[in-house]
Amino acid sequence: EPEVTQTPSHQVTQMGQEVILRCVPISNHLYFYWYRQILGQKVEFLVSFYNNEISEKSEIFDDQFSVERPDGSNFTLKIRSTKLEDSAMYFCASAKAGALREKLFFGSGTQLSVL
Amino acid sequence: ELKVEQNPLFLSMQEGKNYTIYCNYSTTSDRLYWYRQDPGKSLESLFVLLSNGAVKQEGRLMASLDTKARLSTLHITAAVHDLSATYFCAVQGGSEKLVFGKGTKLTVNP
Repeated sequence: EPEVTQTPSHQVTQMGQEVILRCVPISNHLYFYWYRQILGQKVEFLVSFYNNEISEKSEIFDDQFSVERPDGSNFTLKIRSTKLEDSAMYFCASAKAGALREKLFFGSGTQLSVL
Repeated sequence: ELKVEQNPLFLSMQEGKNYTIYCNYSTTSDRLYWYRQDPGKSLESLFVLLSNGAVKQEGRLMASLDTKARLSTLHITAAVHDLSATYFCAVQGGSEKLVFGKGTKLTVNP
């Protein structure tokens, strides 16, 4: 079965450094999402992306965050200057149609640790 | 603003017993999802509930939706150890994002 793949599985960085989290969505999917989960807490929406632009973002997704689909297969989340509170598990998800019509498929996540 | 509440947050049960997890949400929803998460793993989709009265079953799990009460339940029948995981409900309220509950950590003891 097709799956969403994320790399790396773990990322350790120093506060203030830039990180890029990578995702390869399922190949025929058109809608892409990032969610995050701080340890022991609930999963939170960050951003949705369709047709090469952000369609919705949360208040967490401030100017330090950006997303890009640099080619036909990758979908990246960049955090420009990491903070301690950015430490979390980041999940990429994709859907064939928008989330309103199709279920989301989640990747296995990238555990980001900011020291 | 859409809010989603699950209870209980922690559930310890004996194998063979039945129990129900509840998910309440605050505003009209387009659809409701149940996900399972094993420790350190991703979210596995269990059920998608689209309409009032919807009921779906898979193995020992059964999910239902009452849109008038804004309530979904996940019923566990004759629990087994393999069902130990954290279960999340997530609600969609007319936008692209899912709003998740805090999750119910289920432990099934032999």
